[in-house]
Amino acid sequence: AQSVTQLGSHVSVSEGALVLLRCNYSSSVPPYLFWYVQYPNQGLQLLLKYTTGATLVKGINGFEAEFKKSETSFHLTKPSAHMSDAAEYFCAVIRPGGTSYGKLTFGQGTILTVHP
Amino acid sequence: GAGVSQSPSNKVTEKGKDVELRCDPISGHTALYWYRQSLGQGLEFLIYFQGNSAPDKSGLPSDRFSAERTGGSVSTLTIQRTQQEDSAVYLCASSLVGVTEAFFGQGTRLTVV
Repeated sequence: AQSVTQLGSHVSVSEGALVLLRCNYSSSVPPYLFWYVQYPNQGLQLLLKYTTGATLVKGINGFEAEFKKSETSFHLTKPSAHMSDAAEYFCAVIRPGGTSYGKLTFGQGTILTVHP
Repeated sequence: GAGVSQSPSNKVTEKGKDVELRCDPISGHTALYWYRQSLGQGLEFLIYFQGNSAPDKSGLPSDRFSAERTGGSVSTLTIQRTQQEDSAVYLCASSLVGVTEAFFGQGTRLTVV
């Protein structure tokens, strides 16, 4: 079985400050890793993903994340927060292979608030 | 269509009634997923379709929940004899087989009163 833990259900930053959202996973095999963003009353939008290859992945809206196998982590960062980044962020994993190829296991989510 | 479409966007129903939630996936996407998002439970997987068959139904919470997919396209999630604990946002997603990115619809917010 696999699980995802997002440290901090709420994170608050000032506009222009660094954004760091933490995600740790537990999996018997190296998983595929994802970050999704959800704006109010909307569905989930993919920010970025790691499957294989380079462990630092860049996504949309200036976000990036680094897969660290030794730490079982996939933290999401953005150098400078913008007001429009305020949303809920979900880390998720897929166990490669098997019959449920795209079945996502989500973390509990982190609500990001950006102050002027 | 351009994206995953779900209907209705909001549904209020009385306890004990049956409801049907609809999902139109992106054209050509053979994989389709239903998830439920509720306070306290987060995002939970319900069921996965590959074409018209469902090889993974492990997330359906009870036998009151069922889903079908026809023509490898539209899917319907049915909840019979709704209970208040069924109140949640039901999200549908679709993807191409062999591609790991799933595209989500905006969800159906179900409220059972």
